[in-house]
Amino acid sequence: QKEVEQNSGPLSVPEGAIASLNCTYSDRGSQSFFWYRQYSGKSPELIMFIYSNGDKEDGRFTAQLNKASQYVSLLIRDSQPSDSATYLCAVNYSGGSNYKLTFGKGTLLTVNP
Amino acid sequence: GAVVSQHPSWVICKSGTSVKIECRSLDFQATTMFWYRQFPKQSLMLMATSNEGSKATYEQGVEKDKFLINHASLTLSTLTVTSAHPEDSSFYICSAAKGRTLIQETQYFGPGTRLLVL
Repeated sequence: QKEVEQNSGPLSVPEGAIASLNCTYSDRGSQSFFWYRQYSGKSPELIMFIYSNGDKEDGRFTAQLNKASQYVSLLIRDSQPSDSATYLCAVNYSGGSNYKLTFGKGTLLTVNP
Repeated sequence: GAVVSQHPSWVICKSGTSVKIECRSLDFQATTMFWYRQFPKQSLMLMATSNEGSKATYEQGVEKDKFLINHASLTLSTLTVTSAHPEDSSFYICSAAKGRTLIQETQYFGPGTRLLVL
C-alpha cells in the first residue's frame, strides 16, 4: 500500500511569514514528487515538482526532497492571504504500464492578514 | 499551454439515471487520462487510468461496469456513471498527461464536475 502522509492542519501563519508544509511517503521506489494547491471547491493546480534530492526554487516556493528520509516539503516565503488553500503532496510510482500519483490528504493553510 | 476542460461542471440527477462527464485536453494530445473522485474534506482518490485506444485500468474497489470510461481520441475521455445513486455524489476530476511512463510527467487537472444524485 503506497501511502502519503501530511499533517491535515490547519496551519496558520501571519502574512509575510514563511509557511512550511511537510509530507512523508512510504514507497522508497517513488521517483517524483509534486505539490498541488487546491482552493475550496476547485480542482488542484500544480505548484511545482521535484525529483532530485535537495532544493528546487520557483519564485516564492521552494520544494525540498530527502529520499533517504522519504520526506518532501514545501516552503512558501512571504506568505499572502491568497495562498490560503489546501496543499496536496503527490508521489509518483509505477503502476504497471502507467505511472500513477498517490495523493496525501492535504494540509490546510491559512494566511492571516 | 496544457489546459484541460470538463463538462458539465455541475450535474444534478435522479437516482437510477446515468450521467456522462467529458474531459478534454484543449491544447495538447493526452496519451493518458486519469479519473479521480474526491469526497468532502478527503483527498483525491484515483478511480481509473485510461490510455487512448485501449481499455481503462481500474483501481481496486472501483466497479468498471458502473463507471464506464472511454478514451476514444488523444483529446477526449468520458466517464459515465451508470445507474447513479446518492452515494455516488462526489466531485469528479479528470487529469491528462502528455506521456505515459516518464517519471517527470506532470498531470494537468480539469476544473472538476460536481455530481449530486437525488
